[in-house]
Amino acid sequence: DVKVTQSSRYLVKRTGEKVFLECVQDMDHENMFWYRQDPGLGLRLIYFSYDVKMKEKGDIPEGYSVSREKKERFSLILESASTNQTSMYLCASSPPTSGSADTQYFGPGTRLTVL
Amino acid sequence: AQSVTQPDIHITVSEGASLELRCNYSYGATPYLFWYVQSPGQGLQLLLKYFSGDTLVQGIKGFEAEFKRSQSSFNLRKPSVHWSDAAEYFCAVVLNPFSGGYNKLIFGAGTRLAVHP
Repeated sequence: DVKVTQSSRYLVKRTGEKVFLECVQDMDHENMFWYRQDPGLGLRLIYFSYDVKMKEKGDIPEGYSVSREKKERFSLILESASTNQTSMYLCASSPPTSGSADTQYFGPGTRLTVL
Repeated sequence: AQSVTQPDIHITVSEGASLELRCNYSYGATPYLFWYVQSPGQGLQLLLKYFSGDTLVQGIKGFEAEFKRSQSSFNLRKPSVHWSDAAEYFCAVVLNPFSGGYNKLIFGAGTRLAVHP
């Protein structure tokens, strides 16, 4: 079974703090993703990575950065947390795209509250 | 704009009743289609997917979905709902799946299902 783990289930931070959300997958997947989930908006893509040290902006990258130093690990960084970044953050991974869509496998999510 | 619509935000059904969750997409060609489920406090789990072929797709937990090209729809169904099916359900599509490179997964806003005993 594919396993995607996220470092924290719940996190409370203060405005202005630097926040790191970690994601690890154990299936040697090339692609990894960070989404945020908000009620009524579904999932929105923040960043994705298709290889080590490679990253691409998603739909809502402002206020976020990412790091992928190893294939299995993809980190989301909030350089200076703000209250409007209070949300559920979901990490996902998938095998490489090869002309067909690939299933994304999701972690359990991190619920981040910024006070 | 290309989008995925789940018209029902909340649905309540009685245990044992049948269920249909609606999903429509706006895109000229046939996308790849997915249904995911999110139980409370959990990540998303894939229920089923459609790429091509038979338009009626069977998934896990007794769910099925039917792709109807003429209606641009991919509705999820279950003949008899169990209390454990209470969750949030997301329809998702990959548009233009043969374009090469990374194909973005676009999610609907979700439908929250409540099950009455």
